[in-house]
Amino acid sequence: EAGVAQSPRYKIIEKRQSVAFWCNPISGHATLYWYQQILGQGPKLLIQFQNNGVVDDSQLPKDRFSAERLKGVDSTLKIQPAKLEDSAVYLCASSLDRSSEQFFGPGTRLTVL
Amino acid sequence: AQSVTQLDSQVPVFEEAPVELRCNYSSSVSVYLFWYVQYPNQGLQLLLKYLSGSTLVKGINGFEAEFNKSQTSFHLRKPSVHISDTAEYFCAVSENEKLTFGTGTRLTIIP
Repeated sequence: EAGVAQSPRYKIIEKRQSVAFWCNPISGHATLYWYQQILGQGPKLLIQFQNNGVVDDSQLPKDRFSAERLKGVDSTLKIQPAKLEDSAVYLCASSLDRSSEQFFGPGTRLTVL
Repeated sequence: AQSVTQLDSQVPVFEEAPVELRCNYSSSVSVYLFWYVQYPNQGLQLLLKYLSGSTLVKGINGFEAEFNKSQTSFHLRKPSVHISDTAEYFCAVSENEKLTFGTGTRLTIIP
């Protein structure tokens, strides 16, 4: 069974530029999560989708971050414009439903210069 | 709101020695507890979880953890570590289906 796929694996941009990350969850998984993992910290939930609807985006900085899961399958997370403090690893995870085990992708490492 | 404390940011251990990684949590309700491992440049992988029942939980790769409600702890242990155990370990608590992670403990195995 294929795992959670993410691309790109690495991205370097300058501050004020825009960037987008893509995630393809495990087939059949209804719930999709985006986490931000800053160096030296644990992952922090940014947004959670159930199918194509948002369940929790309370910690998403909505002035610059946006995410969508239009067809209830893959998802895109966007930052516009990026700030230095956005440098982090962005992890995508998926689960069968909201109460099941989460499976994580390899992450995208973003460096903002 | 729940929180997780991992007091040890780094733990060096000699190969084949035992190890304990500490985790304490706070929550106002019953919780589920997890340990995840993150190998370099990889995502998180579930090691073990406590949902209910026996307080001693066994996981993959010879790891186990014990849930102690009175001390609000969920320490991870392995009786004999291997070089391949070098990784970052995260304790997490789930409350209302939301995962909150600790800051992680980097386990370094000394040959």
